Amino acid sequence: AIRMTQSPSSLSASTGDRVTITCRASQGISSYLAWYQQKPGKAPKLLIYAASTLQSGVPSRFSGSGSGTDFTLTISCLQSEDFATYYCQQYYSYPFLTFGGGTKVEIK
Amino acid sequence: QVQLVESGGGVVQPGGSLRLSCAASGFTFSSYGMHWVRQAPGKGLEWVAFIRYDGSNKYYADSVKGRFTISRDNSKNTLYLQMNSLRAEDTAVYYCAKEDGQQAGHGYYYYMDVWGKGTTVTVSS
Repeated sequence: AIRMTQSPSSLSASTGDRVTITCRASQGISSYLAWYQQKPGKAPKLLIYAASTLQSGVPSRFSGSGSGTDFTLTISCLQSEDFATYYCQQYYSYPFLTFGGGTKVEIK
Repeated sequence: QVQLVESGGGVVQPGGSLRLSCAASGFTFSSYGMHWVRQAPGKGLEWVAFIRYDGSNKYYADSVKGRFTISRDNSKNTLYLQMNSLRAEDTAVYYCAKEDGQQAGHGYYYYMDVWGKGTTVTVSS
């Protein structure tokens, strides 16, 4: 099974900061990667698919990059509503999907 | 609007059974594959099962294979998850999610674009 490793597992940041989250796959997955945001007690929300394509309605301060085994999610200017946990997910072994362990973005 | 609503969660003893439902509305349910994803308390997301749009193929995570069965009734716009031989480690919030995808370059990229709010399953004696 493809393993997805996110780093860091948590981070503290301030409103207005630039935040970068990394996701590494245990084998090459091309661009078959999605990013989700989850707030406490809520369902996950799709942010990005195909590694870098922004889902409709998602603010442009979110961006994704990478291909193969290394991927990043960047929030260019952190807003108060962005404090949440972020998950990467691979689709390469579709339909057998795996998520990363999550990165919790907390208020500094 | 596009909506998924799960139901059927509850408290069950180890070894027991439970059937979850996911009612879909606002889109053509019979045209989309559907997933179940779960989240144990304080933990990350775990994919559980997938069924194709017409129910022709079903796939399971190793952790639930042989114990869980995913199914759908397209006439009722409803997805199901039959869970048997439940274990303490199956305790989680269970989400259903609609799959969609886009052609981009040389690939077809899938994603889960609509999620339900989840239903809680607790396996405890």
